[in-house]
Amino acid sequence: EADIYQTPRYLVIGTGKKITLECSQTMGHDKMYWYQQDPGMELHLIHYSYGVNSTEKGDLSSESTVSRIRTEHFPLTLESARPSHTSQYLCASSERDRGYDEQFFGPGTRLTVL
Amino acid sequence: AQSVAQPEDQVNVAEGNPLTVKCTYSVSGNPYLFWYVQYPNRGLQFLLKYITGDNLVKGSYGFEAEFNKSQTSFHLKKPSALVSDSALYFCAVRDMGGDYKLSFGAGTTVTVRA
Repeated sequence: EADIYQTPRYLVIGTGKKITLECSQTMGHDKMYWYQQDPGMELHLIHYSYGVNSTEKGDLSSESTVSRIRTEHFPLTLESARPSHTSQYLCASSERDRGYDEQFFGPGTRLTVL
Repeated sequence: AQSVAQPEDQVNVAEGNPLTVKCTYSVSGNPYLFWYVQYPNRGLQFLLKYITGDNLVKGSYGFEAEFNKSQTSFHLKKPSALVSDSALYFCAVRDMGGDYKLSFGAGTTVTVRA
């Protein structure tokens, strides 16, 4: 079944640890996105990709980095986690470059940094 | 620049009553407009979108939305709310002439009481 997956769903780690949040989609979509959803629930775009080897920073400045080596895989990495990184991270994808294509979202990763 | 406003943080209705969630937008050109719903501990699910044409758009789960260009609004409606409609609702906009990033509103929490 075509879907978008995120692992882990929940992560609690200590300050200074390196973490990678995984996102994979089986829909063959070219465009992928990472959003940060803060406690007030508003979504902020932090990274996006138009395809393999394409990555761009979003509207909200983030210390995280992303890579897009394969179409289906768009991992997000934090080199040194801090309590300010505590948030929910949502991955999404969309089919084409038409502007009106809806985005499909994964279930999210809730990250807590102690 | 593009932006979305959802003026109500919370909407409370009784089951069986009509439900309206308000959204206004701002874009330089013409908009693509979207509604998403988020259930607890889940990602966002697409409900409906406006691209062009008929101002009344029908979507999933009995929801519909009306595009009003003069009022720059795109309110979400359901004639008869269900308890299972209780969730967080997001309106989003993309400028047709802009890049392909979505701007989300802050979200409206809908509670439908039995």
